[in-house]
Amino acid sequence: QITLKESGPTLVKPTQTLTLTCTFSGFSLSPSGVGVGWIRQPPGKALEWLALIFWNDDKRYSPSLKSRLTITKDTSKNQVILTMTNMDPVDTATYYCAHRYDFDYFFDFWGQGTLVTVSS
Amino acid sequence: QSALTQPPSASGSPGQSVTISCTGTSSDVGGYNYVSWYQQHPGKAPKIMIYEVSKRPSGVPDRFSGSKSGNTASLTVSGLQAEDEADYYCSSYAGSNNLEVFGGGTKLTVL
Repeated sequence: QITLKESGPTLVKPTQTLTLTCTFSGFSLSPSGVGVGWIRQPPGKALEWLALIFWNDDKRYSPSLKSRLTITKDTSKNQVILTMTNMDPVDTATYYCAHRYDFDYFFDFWGQGTLVTVSS
Repeated sequence: QSALTQPPSASGSPGQSVTISCTGTSSDVGGYNYVSWYQQHPGKAPKIMIYEVSKRPSGVPDRFSGSKSGNTASLTVSGLQAEDEADYYCSSYAGSNNLEVFGGGTKLTVL
């Protein structure tokens, strides 16, 4: 059974760096042909694809946010970490992590999401 | 502004059919057969309903179907049920540099 869960701060100040952790079970990122991605959703708004890391450390980023994002994995802990620099109130959103296979182009298992508010 | 265009709302009565469109470009929807549809109930994570334009994951009712013509993909929900009331998002592969893009979402109301 595949499960994912996001963790991190619920409140960050403008200009700070956000670090989110996705802890998963039911699969491994070493090596297994899978990937873990991050997607966010501002309150009442649409989903936005952020970043994706594959089992072989191949990484992809949203072009519009690439300069602010870093995605890494800790295979020993079954975790994927997303950092986003220079946070702004417009980055207030629920952040989801999700599982996919590297031969697919959709996310089949999602975490419950974590709401991050950016405010001074 | 989302990369893919969806109508903000759609509605239908129980038992009826409703179709939601998702319009992109030849660089995403029109260029690949990798369109997906997600269902999201309030306060919940998205759930995959359709992948690769028209394929249904195990457990998704066959009332849900997908298709594509040119740069526009469509999700059809037949035999509407109350539990189908949710937000629906399309997604498409958009090439190796812009891996995937989402639509703006459509709120489906069952009257």
